[in-house]
Amino acid sequence: SYVLTQPPSVSVAPGQTARITCGGNNIGSKSVHWYQQKPGQAPVLVVYDDSDRPSGIPERFSGSNSGNTATLTISRVEAGDEADYYCQVWDSSSDHSGVVFGGGTKLTVL
Amino acid sequence: EVQLVESGGGLVQPGRSLRLSCTASGFTFGDYAMSWFRQAPGKGLEWVGFIRSKAYGGTTEYAASVKGRFTISRDDSKSIAYLQMNSLKTEDTAVYYCTRGRITIFGVVTYYFDYWGQGTLVTVSS
Repeated sequence: SYVLTQPPSVSVAPGQTARITCGGNNIGSKSVHWYQQKPGQAPVLVVYDDSDRPSGIPERFSGSNSGNTATLTISRVEAGDEADYYCQVWDSSSDHSGVVFGGGTKLTVL
Repeated sequence: EVQLVESGGGLVQPGRSLRLSCTASGFTFGDYAMSWFRQAPGKGLEWVGFIRSKAYGGTTEYAASVKGRFTISRDDSKSIAYLQMNSLKTEDTAVYYCTRGRITIFGVVTYYFDYWGQGTLVTVSS
C-alpha cells in the first residue's frame, strides 16, 4: 500500500516560515490534502488539491507538490498555528481504493 | 451551515457490537460521499471506511484493519450515515469522526474531507 512520510516535528519562531513535508513515491502524480488538528479538536482542512485553500483559511497557508515531495508552507507563523498537521492522498493504485495519511507533524511555535 | 453530529459511542466489551450514527445538516446529503475516521488516544488519524454517493454507485471501501468487521451505510432520506462495528477489539478504542467527502477528478480521482464532526469516543474494554 502507498506510504506517506512526514517529519515528526517542526519548530519555528513566530513570524518565520514553517515548511512541513510529505514524502511519497511519485506523490507529484497525486493530489495532496492537508489537515490541521489542535489538541482536543477535530481536524480542519487547510489545503486541498495540492495548493487550494478552503474559504476561511488564511493566505498564509499554501501548498506545493512535485516529484516525491509535497510541502505545506505556513508564512508569518503565529502562536495559534501550533498544531498537528497531516497530509492525505486518495490511493487507488492497489487492489482497492482508500485514504492514506501521513503520520503527522507537530508544529511547535517557539 | 454544514454540521455533522456523531452519536452512539460509549463503553463496550470486546467481541460486542456498536453502531455509530452521523446526522448531517446544512447540505444535500445524498450528493456527497461520507467517510469515517478514528484517532486512538495520543495517536495519529486513521481512515476507517468510506461510502460513495449514489451518483457514484454508493459503494464502500474499508481499511484493512476493519474490513469484514465494520460496515458503513447511509440513509439519504434521513441524512444519516452509519458505522456498524462488530467483533470489537481493544485496539478499536478511539475517537471516531464522521466527515463529508469531496471528489475531484484531474485525470485521477481523489477525495478529500472538508467537514468533520466533533467525534464520539468508543472505548472497548472488559
